[in-house]
Parts: sequence; C-alpha cells; structure tokens
Amino acid sequence: GAVVSQHPSRVICKSGTSVKIECRSLDFQATTMFWYRQFPKQSLMLMATSNEGSKATYEQGVEKDKFLINHASLTLSTLTVTSAHPEDSSFYICSARNRGHNEKLFFGSGTQLSVL
Amino acid sequence: DAKTTQPNSMESNEEEPVHLPCNHSTISGTDYIHWYRQLPSQGPEYVIHGLTSNVNNRMASLAIAEDRKSSTLILHRATLRDAAVYYCILSESPWDAGGTSYGKLTFGQGTILTVHP
Repeated sequence: GAVVSQHPSRVICKSGTSVKIECRSLDFQATTMFWYRQFPKQSLMLMATSNEGSKATYEQGVEKDKFLINHASLTLSTLTVTSAHPEDSSFYICSARNRGHNEKLFFGSGTQLSVL
Repeated sequence: DAKTTQPNSMESNEEEPVHLPCNHSTISGTDYIHWYRQLPSQGPEYVIHGLTSNVNNRMASLAIAEDRKSSTLILHRATLRDAAVYYCILSESPWDAGGTSYGKLTFGQGTILTVHP
C-alpha cells in the first residue's frame, strides 16, 4: 500500500530555535498534503492544507509565519516550526492524498516535538 | 464541516464482533463517511470509507443507514491489535469543479476501543 514517510520521529530543541519536519510520499504522487497537530489525549487538529506548487491554506488560528509549509514537489512537503517555544511541543502528523485514490488519506507516523 | 458523534469508549472481548456507531445527522449529499484508527504514538490508519452503499474490505465493514444520518463500523472478530481510537469523519469529495483538491478531514474525539483477552 501507499507509504508516507515522516521524519524525524522525535526532536528535542531549545526555545527560540527552528525545527523542520519532512513528509514524503514514497510510492505515489501526493497532490495534496495536510498537516495536523495533536496534544496528549486529544484529537488531531488540522493546521493547514497544501497543494503542490501553491501556497498552503491555514486553518483559523494557525499562525502562517510561525508554521511554514512548503510543498515544492509531488512527493515532499515540509513543516518548519520557527522560533519554537515550549507551548509548541506537540505531536505533528502529516498526511497525503494519492492522486489515484482520491478519497483516502495516508498518514505519516508523526513527529514528537519537545521544546525545552 | 458536518460533525459526527461517537461514544467516548467501548469495550469488547477478543474474537467477538464489534459494532462502532457514528451519528452524522447533518451530512450532506456529497459527504463521504470515513473511518480511521490511531494507535498510541502513531499516525492514523485508514480503515474504510463509503458514500451510500455498505462497504467491505479486509479490515472491516461499513454499514450506512438508508438516510445516511448514521453509520456503523463493524470489526468482525476483534483482536488485541484492534485496540485503538476509532474516528468517524465526514469529508467532501476531494475534487471541485476547478480541479483543485480539497476534501480535508476534520477529526472529532473518536471512540477508544478496548479489547480484552
């Protein structure tokens, strides 16, 4: 089946630094990728939607200057958390839609970000 | 976005069938019904989806009410590996008339399924 690779799986950083998370579709072309955030014992919260070659669409309340999303190719999207602070500590998950399987989303394994 | 309502938790015994309900009374005609599940510290995993007719795959079955205002995910023989949070989600068809993909999935709280040996 289709595979979405996300890394790193875990990252610890100091407050004020930036962290980049990569999301790759390994065996399919991802026309659309979604980024989610999940706090402990809560559900996934959609942060933004990105289509290849165009600017990401952010959900209400998500700061676009803080969470930079780049979807430069059909197989790669990146999320950069700029000037991270402890409140940004969370589980970040990407997902991708396969061009050939329109209704189904494939998810990465997530990145646990801890900001000290 | 149309919302779904699921029980917070359910329990089952191993090798017994499990019926996970979902209410979506405000569903529109173009909304697909999706089910995903999530194990601890992992990304969600696709289970099944449907529009109007009941659906079967190797993981589960999806029974959709005739009025589409509710649906039930059926795990025919629960195993310990089926213990997870199950999410019932509605989404629009991913393609609009202009060819731009959308169809985002908005997750609710889901049902925590516990499977007892």
